Amino acid sequence: EPEVTQTPSHQVTQMGQEVILRCVPISNHLYFYWYRQILGQKVEFLVSFYNNEISEKSEIFDDQFSVERPDGSNFTLKIRSTKLEDSAMYFCASSGAGSTNEKLFFGSGTQLSVL
Amino acid sequence: QKEVEQDPGPLSVPEGAIVSLNCTYSNSAFQYFMWYRQYSRKGPELLMYTYSSGNKEDGRFTAQVDKSSKYISLFIRDSQPSDSATYLCAQTFNAGNMLTFGGGTRLMVKP
Repeated sequence: EPEVTQTPSHQVTQMGQEVILRCVPISNHLYFYWYRQILGQKVEFLVSFYNNEISEKSEIFDDQFSVERPDGSNFTLKIRSTKLEDSAMYFCASSGAGSTNEKLFFGSGTQLSVL
Repeated sequence: QKEVEQDPGPLSVPEGAIVSLNCTYSNSAFQYFMWYRQYSRKGPELLMYTYSSGNKEDGRFTAQVDKSSKYISLFIRDSQPSDSATYLCAQTFNAGNMLTFGGGTRLMVKP
């Protein structure tokens, strides 16, 4: 069964450092998303991406964040200068086109720890 | 007022019981309603999705949406220990838009 793959599963970084979280969405999907979940809190939307541009973003997704689809298979989230409060589980998700694009499929997440 | 609310639980039931999980929301513009299951330290897994009011059944799972009272439910029949997880409700305005999640209800099914 196709799945969304995320790497690494766990990333530890120092405050102020840049991190890149990587995702391989399901191959025929057209919509790509990043969500995050701080420990014990709700899953929160960060950004959606379609047709090589951001289609929607939340207040969390400020200038420190950026997304990219560098090739036909990868989708990345970059945090330019990490803060302690960026520590969270980051989930990538993808969905198909047309009548199926409300069905989001999530990866297993990257646990980001900012020290 | 929070947009989407769920009782955090934990809800503990014996194996074989019927489980009822509930979620309320405040924004009447939501059109699509989903239930996700999340195991510890894993990503949410889509269980059910419905559009507008009504019931939808899939195996042991039934999702129910009442838009007039802004209330959605997930029923699990013949619950199994493998159903032990956190259940998240989520809503969106249109397909492809951001999902708004509830905080989740932790379910424990005891053998």
